[in-house]
Amino acid sequence: GQQLNQSPQSMFIQEGEDVSMNCTSSSIFNTWLWYKQDPGEGPVLLIALYKAGELTSNGRLTAQFGITRKDSFLNISASIPSDVGIYFCAGLNYGGSQGNLIFGKGTKLSVKP
Amino acid sequence: GAVVSQHPSWVICKSGTSVKIECRSLDFQATTMFWYRQFPKQSLMLMATSNEGSKATYEQGVEKDKFLINHASLTLSTLTVTSAHPEDSSFYICSATSLLQGLGYEQYFGPGTRLTVT
Repeated sequence: GQQLNQSPQSMFIQEGEDVSMNCTSSSIFNTWLWYKQDPGEGPVLLIALYKAGELTSNGRLTAQFGITRKDSFLNISASIPSDVGIYFCAGLNYGGSQGNLIFGKGTKLSVKP
Repeated sequence: GAVVSQHPSWVICKSGTSVKIECRSLDFQATTMFWYRQFPKQSLMLMATSNEGSKATYEQGVEKDKFLINHASLTLSTLTVTSAHPEDSSFYICSATSLLQGLGYEQYFGPGTRLTVT
């Protein structure tokens, strides 16, 4: 089945730094989604990408849908402490009345000690 | 918009008992709802997909007789863990999509339910 490789698995951030993470797939997706999950909470949708090549921003977040439809990246500019959490990419192929998400394993953002 | 709630947020039950978890879409009608479970430090694992008024579709390896899903209305789905055992302890999260109100195929997640079976 389809699998997503998300990297890095974890990273430490210092306030003000830019952060970048990405996902790659062995096959194409119609839609890429990026979620953030805080401990003990459900994932919150950050950005949804629908077209190959699409570049979309949401505040300090920017994400792109790769031209090949097999990859996506998420950038966070000027990170702040509340950016800490786990970020998941998810690919979606829709058909019929439903679409199942394929999740990456997540990128854990922590504050540099 | 696109708010999903879950109840309860956490539950502790004794081994052998059943537990029901509710998932509600608060401000939209959900054509499809999904149930996931998540183990510590892992990604979400899809358990089943349900459309309103239809039987749920379970993922391979998920026991449909153990995890009963009911999606009786466009705003409510329930997951019942029957005869729970300690290995069923996990974080259960639902999500919902709606093609009726132009939300597309992206899924909106509930806050999750922490189940602990003693």
